[in-house]
Amino acid sequence: DVVLTQSPATLSVTPGERISLSCRASESVDTYLHWYQQKPNESPRLLIKYASQSISGIPSRFSGSGSGTDFTLSINGVELEDLSIYYCQQGNSLPFTFGSGTKLEIK
Amino acid sequence: QVQLKESGPGLVQPSETLSLTCTVSGFSLTSYSVSWVRQPSGKGPEWMGRMWYDGDTAYNSALKSRLSISRDTSKNQVFLKMNSLQTDDTGTYYCTRDVAGSSDWGQGVMVTVSS
Repeated sequence: DVVLTQSPATLSVTPGERISLSCRASESVDTYLHWYQQKPNESPRLLIKYASQSISGIPSRFSGSGSGTDFTLSINGVELEDLSIYYCQQGNSLPFTFGSGTKLEIK
Repeated sequence: QVQLKESGPGLVQPSETLSLTCTVSGFSLTSYSVSWVRQPSGKGPEWMGRMWYDGDTAYNSALKSRLSISRDTSKNQVFLKMNSLQTDDTGTYYCTRDVAGSSDWGQGVMVTVSS
């Protein structure tokens, strides 16, 4: 199974900052890498598909990059509503594994 | 409007079988695949398996011996059955519509395995 390692586990941020979250795959997943946001007591929400493609209705401050084994989710100007847990998921090979998440909290 | 809703028992006895239903609306099960994803409290999601749009299935190898996914297209429903439940099967179970990744999620159903 493909193992996705997300770092850092927790990130303390100041509103307005530009931040980057990392997701590293144990083997190449090409660009079959998706990012999700999960707020407390809510279902996850798809943020970015295929590493860098935007999703309708998601604010433009969210962007993704990478291919192969190294991926980044960036938030350009963090807002308070972005305090959540972010997960990556690979869709290249079965089973479609998830990372363990990065939690954003206020500094 | 795409909607998915999970239903099933909130409490299951250890060693028993879990049966969940995902009822969908706003799309056809013969055009889109549906996955089951579960999430223990405080942990990351785990992909369990998928019902492909063409009726084929795929399972997480870690669960394959205990898991079965089926569907009734006339009722717009996808079913999950998992046997020999243990306490570490406790968590929230979601069904998702898969377009690119899990693009739409149900609200989830909390399942507790306890005697």
